[in-house]
Amino acid sequence: QVQLQESGPGLVKPSQTLSLTCTVSNYSLSSGSHSWSWIRQPAGKGLEWIGHIYASGITNYNPSLKSRVTISVDSSKTQFSLKLTSVTGADTAVYYCAGERVVATVTDYYYYVEVWGKGTTVTVSS
Amino acid sequence: QSVLTQPPSASGTPGQRVTISCSGSGTNIGSSHVHWYQQLPGTAPKLLIYRNDQRPSGVPDRFSGSKSGTSASLAISGLRSDDEGDYCCAAWDDRLRAWVFGGGTKVTVL
Repeated sequence: QVQLQESGPGLVKPSQTLSLTCTVSNYSLSSGSHSWSWIRQPAGKGLEWIGHIYASGITNYNPSLKSRVTISVDSSKTQFSLKLTSVTGADTAVYYCAGERVVATVTDYYYYVEVWGKGTTVTVSS
Repeated sequence: QSVLTQPPSASGTPGQRVTISCSGSGTNIGSSHVHWYQQLPGTAPKLLIYRNDQRPSGVPDRFSGSKSGTSASLAISGLRSDDEGDYCCAAWDDRLRAWVFGGGTKVTVL
């Protein structure tokens, strides 16, 4: 069973860079059957996808955040990270890391967010 | 404002059936599968339905999903008090090249 755990500072100053790490247990990030996402949720609001990285290293980012986001996998292949630059109060949220299962059959190709970390709260404030 | 549209709330008495709708467009629900997540108070989302109508192992058959055109729905039958929480739909948007979510529907058991 894949398990994910977010870690990083709970408080970031405006204009600085938010950095979070997700540690993945019981699974290798280099396996092609999953890709790895960051998703956030402001208090009392809905989920917002930030971006993901495939085992190949290819990334996709939410167009609304693309200019400020970088997602990468570390060389140990047990952690992936999020960097969000120039943060403001609008970036205050619970941040989740998640694993997306990739399914490829003869007739279909699809993926879905299968497993979530417990989330970590990040507040942007001076 | 969320790309997928859900009603903000739904309610029912224990044992009743509740249905939650999720409306999108041709670039998301109309061209990809819909997935549903349950978020109980103070916890992370949990996969409830994938590929429109498939239940992961461990999810009771009281939960069912369907999709038609650019809309999808989640049904909860035999409503229980521990079903109270938020339910959210998701789909990949081919135009945005991004996951899009509904705003979530808060289910209350009366």
